[in-house]
Amino acid sequence: QLQLQESGPGLMKPSETLSLTCSVSGGSITTGNNYWAWIRQPPGRGLEWIGSLSYGGNTYYNPSLKSRVSSSLDTAKNQFSLTVTSVTAADTAVYFCARLCCDLRGDFDYWGQGALVTVSS
Amino acid sequence: QSVLTQPPSVSGAPGQRITISCTGNRSNIGAGFDVHWYQQLPGTAPKLLIYVNTNRRSGVPDRFSGSKSGTSASLAITGLQAEDEAHYYCQSYDSTLSGSVFGGGTKLTVL
Repeated sequence: QLQLQESGPGLMKPSETLSLTCSVSGGSITTGNNYWAWIRQPPGRGLEWIGSLSYGGNTYYNPSLKSRVSSSLDTAKNQFSLTVTSVTAADTAVYFCARLCCDLRGDFDYWGQGALVTVSS
Repeated sequence: QSVLTQPPSVSGAPGQRITISCTGNRSNIGAGFDVHWYQQLPGTAPKLLIYVNTNRRSGVPDRFSGSKSGTSASLAITGLQAEDEAHYYCQSYDSTLSGSVFGGGTKLTVL
């Protein structure tokens, strides 16, 4: 059974850089047809796709966030990460990592429990 | 504003049938991309219910079903139970954004 677990800073100040890690167990992040994704949910609001990355390390980002986000695989640790620069209060959200099944058009079949990130001065 | 449009809320009595709509356009659902549905209970991560328009994930009761036609999709729940009270989200792929898109979510209340 695939399991994902996010880790992050919790509380941040405006203009700082957010770094999140998703640890994957029960399978390899480099297995073919595995894509990985970041999704966030502001308090009381809906889901927003942030970006996806392929098992080969190719990345795809939401155009609304593309200038501030980057993501990468760490095959040695079986993890993938997300970086968001110049955070503001609008970036306050629960950040989920998930597996994107089969290809970029697929469903998110496994999710982490989520990591709350609060941006406040 | 979400790319996919869902009603903010629906409600039904125990045992009744409800449907939740998800409306897109020609760059997502109307382009033939698949629709997937998720259930989110308070304080938890979303859980995949229906994938590729009509397929129930293993372990999901057959009271849940999905359909798709044109630029829209629907989730139906029959025999409503109290435990079905949750938020439901649809998701697809958008060729203009070159990425995944979600509906705004629908809160289901079981009366």
